[in-house]
Amino acid sequence: DVKVTQSSRYLVKRTGEKVFLECVQDMDHENMFWYRQDPGLGLRLIYFSYDVKMKEKGDIPEGYSVSREKKERFSLILESASTNQTSMYLCASSWGQGGQPQHFGDGTRLSIL
Amino acid sequence: LAKTTQPISMDSYEGQEVNITCSHNNIATNDYITWYQQFPSQGPRFIIQGYKTKVTNEVASLFIPADRKSSTLSLPRVSLSDTAVYYCLVGDIGGGGNKLTFGTGTQLKVEL
Repeated sequence: DVKVTQSSRYLVKRTGEKVFLECVQDMDHENMFWYRQDPGLGLRLIYFSYDVKMKEKGDIPEGYSVSREKKERFSLILESASTNQTSMYLCASSWGQGGQPQHFGDGTRLSIL
Repeated sequence: LAKTTQPISMDSYEGQEVNITCSHNNIATNDYITWYQQFPSQGPRFIIQGYKTKVTNEVASLFIPADRKSSTLSLPRVSLSDTAVYYCLVGDIGGGGNKLTFGTGTQLKVEL
């Protein structure tokens, strides 16, 4: 079974801090994704990576960056955290192109104070 | 970019069939339709996927009309454990990450 592991379930940070969210998958998937989930808004794609060192912007990339130095690991970076980035962050992975099903981690609930 | 619309919530009783419809009027030719289930404090979990017509697996069926502008997830004989949020996802990642659009989710509540 595919396992997508997010480094923290809960995280509390302060405004202006640089925040790193880490995600690791164990199935050699080419694609990895970062979403944020907010009440009433569903899941919104922040960034997507289809290969090592490759990335594509999603719907809401502003204020975020990503890093994929190894195939199994995809990091989301909040360069200077703000209170409006308080949210649930979900990582996912999938293989191939087209609409291949994504496998999700259980999320990181991030609070910015 | 396909925009998806789903009902916010639905109620049902154990043993009934539940149909949840997702509207995606500007779906693109290469887009797939995928449905996910999410329980509290967990990430979404894949249920079923289709491109056109009907797809069935051990837990659900997915009906997609010829124009593909909507899709219906059908859950036969629901139980209390099917209480969850259901999301449709429309898109294709062949050309870039911003071709994936999740609906806002449908909260299904199943009662005795």
